[in-house]
Amino acid sequence: AQSVSQHNHHVILSEAASLELGCNYSYGGTVNLFWYVQYPGQHLQLLLKYFSGDPLVKGIKGFEAEFIKSKFSFNLRKPSVQWSDTAEYFCAVKPNQAGTALIFGKGTTLSVSS
Amino acid sequence: NAGVTQTPKFQVLKTGQSMTLQCAQDMNHNSMYWYRQDPGMGLRLIYYSASEGTTDKGEVPNGYNVSRLNKREFSLRLESAAPSQTSVYFCASSWGAQETQYFGPGTRLLVL
Repeated sequence: AQSVSQHNHHVILSEAASLELGCNYSYGGTVNLFWYVQYPGQHLQLLLKYFSGDPLVKGIKGFEAEFIKSKFSFNLRKPSVQWSDTAEYFCAVKPNQAGTALIFGKGTTLSVSS
Repeated sequence: NAGVTQTPKFQVLKTGQSMTLQCAQDMNHNSMYWYRQDPGMGLRLIYYSASEGTTDKGEVPNGYNVSRLNKREFSLRLESAAPSQTSVYFCASSWGAQETQYFGPGTRLLVL
């Protein structure tokens, strides 16, 4: 079965530190890739997505992610985090195959201290 | 443009009671979804509707039923609530199955 792994359950950083959240998936075919963010008490919002083209995608609020097909990875990065980035981050993968659903990772909680 | 709306925001049920969670979207999306979110489990798909008139089971459909009432509305019904169904429920919609999903604000359900 397809799955999405987010390696870090909880990440704690100080403001201005750099961030990288890992995401790997298990599916050999073509995929669409997403990162969603959930701020405390709010619903999920799209940070960025990759469908095709340049494997380095830029999203909102200074986030970016790189798709490395050979590693089945789609890691999220931000050069300098802010306190307001404190949230839960979800990687999601949609195989380009009829009848398959969007698969979410278990999420990574990011806590940024000021 | 409200996006995806859900009612109610919060509900407390006793074991065995039934209820329906409502979801509506005003983006003219074809596909709609119901997820549940539990701590440490991420989001798990309960049911989805790829288009009006169709519904399919997701990863955790047991204990739930759905109705795609029309293109805008997709409801989730718990016929006999159990404590294991205590969760936060999110509805989402998208243009098509491959496209970005947009989420509602969620319904927090507590089953005693």
